Amino acid sequence: KAGVTQTPRYLIKTRGQQVTLSCSPISGHRSVSWYQQTPGQGLQFLFEYFSETQRNKGNFPGRFSGRQFSNSRSEMNVSTLELGDSALYLCASSLARGPLVRGYTFGSGTRLTVV
Amino acid sequence: SQQGEEDPQALSIQEGENATMNCSYKTSINNLQWYRQNSGRGLVHLILIRSNEREKHSGRLRVTLDTSKKSSSLLITASRAADTASYFCATDLTSGSRLTFGEGTQLTVNP
Repeated sequence: KAGVTQTPRYLIKTRGQQVTLSCSPISGHRSVSWYQQTPGQGLQFLFEYFSETQRNKGNFPGRFSGRQFSNSRSEMNVSTLELGDSALYLCASSLARGPLVRGYTFGSGTRLTVV
Repeated sequence: SQQGEEDPQALSIQEGENATMNCSYKTSINNLQWYRQNSGRGLVHLILIRSNEREKHSGRLRVTLDTSKKSSSLLITASRAADTASYFCATDLTSGSRLTFGEGTQLTVNP
């Protein structure tokens, strides 16, 4: 079956702009989580969505937001971009919430560069 | 801040040798997972070990977990050049549904 699909693969934006990233989880998976990866901070949890509701949120400013649709696809939005938002944004899907059995399946990520 | 620390930060070995990476964490966990990442791509799940397990095997991978020391190790036996990647441990805290990653170990396997 198809894996986790993230679009676009690469993105270049200017400071102050906003950006929307998309993630389509594995068919049947209802939980989608987002992570930011930077050389300085490593991998950090952004938020988790399950059944169209945000269930968990990391320590990021309100400029970072997301949503999940009824088909489990998720989008994350970053407004008023800053240079420090340049990162690899990773989406992960799993069948359900709570203690995991098989781990998460990650997408290939969206590489965002803010100039 | 990161939940865990990984040791070493970088490891370079020859093909056929074994590679051992260590991970320490700070709080109680539900399970611990290991992931591999090739050159800025997505993460690939390798193995999950629950807090009530002490050792787990998957192919050439062996993971141990010592909850009293809050540490885990990943052993890759008979390494191959294709094993070259960054390896991350991730803890799933008792509340679940949110992974906290270590800083990663960059493994280079020389042919």
